[in-house]
Amino acid sequence: ETGVTQTPRHLVMGMTNKKSLKCEQHLGHNAMYWYKQSAKKPLELMFVYNFKEQTENNSVPSRFSPECPNSSHLFLHLHTLQPEDSALYLCASSQAWGLAGERETQYFGPGTRLLVL
Amino acid sequence: AQSVTQLDSQVPVFEEAPVELRCNYSSSVSVYLFWYVQYPNQGLQLLLKYLSGSTLVKGINGFEAEFNKSQTSFHLRKPSVHISDTAEYFCAVRPNTGNQFYFGTGTSLTVIP
Repeated sequence: ETGVTQTPRHLVMGMTNKKSLKCEQHLGHNAMYWYKQSAKKPLELMFVYNFKEQTENNSVPSRFSPECPNSSHLFLHLHTLQPEDSALYLCASSQAWGLAGERETQYFGPGTRLLVL
Repeated sequence: AQSVTQLDSQVPVFEEAPVELRCNYSSSVSVYLFWYVQYPNQGLQLLLKYLSGSTLVKGINGFEAEFNKSQTSFHLRKPSVHISDTAEYFCAVRPNTGNQFYFGTGTSLTVIP
């Protein structure tokens, strides 16, 4: 599935930098997600947007700030990150969220590999 | 509490041999079940899913999985693997109440020529 794109694919940043990750889906979906994938740990769901409204924030530190200007685009703004934030950040989308079932099947982008120095 | 366990972190298997990747879950409610595959430097791709109906689910690339409610398992199988199946495989659970997805820690499948 190539309907979800993410940029950049790789990012190196210092702890004082500000950067943004971008996700775009071309599937006509209404829900979008940010996940964090760290080595040997389960994927961690960070944020969920449904029809541009944030519906889930799983205790994510405020140095991660999501933005969803429309149903096709999702951003993750990063500032004053820590080295332990280094990970693969995955974006996903689905037709809807909160209904459980076929419409909630998620499709993932290729991820942004983030390294915080 | 919900959880997903993939007991095998690494599974080496010879080409054309069968493979089974195990997934067990714990949940107090009914669940929907998924298997995803992640090739190197790529995102997760949906292999198959169980939402309802037949407990034997067939997916892409010749994979299938069987939902066993009494054993709370959703093991992934393929009768004959190829080199191209080398990847990381993730099991995921979506309880039919609440708003969460739970992923396992993944199983790294290495197909040996």
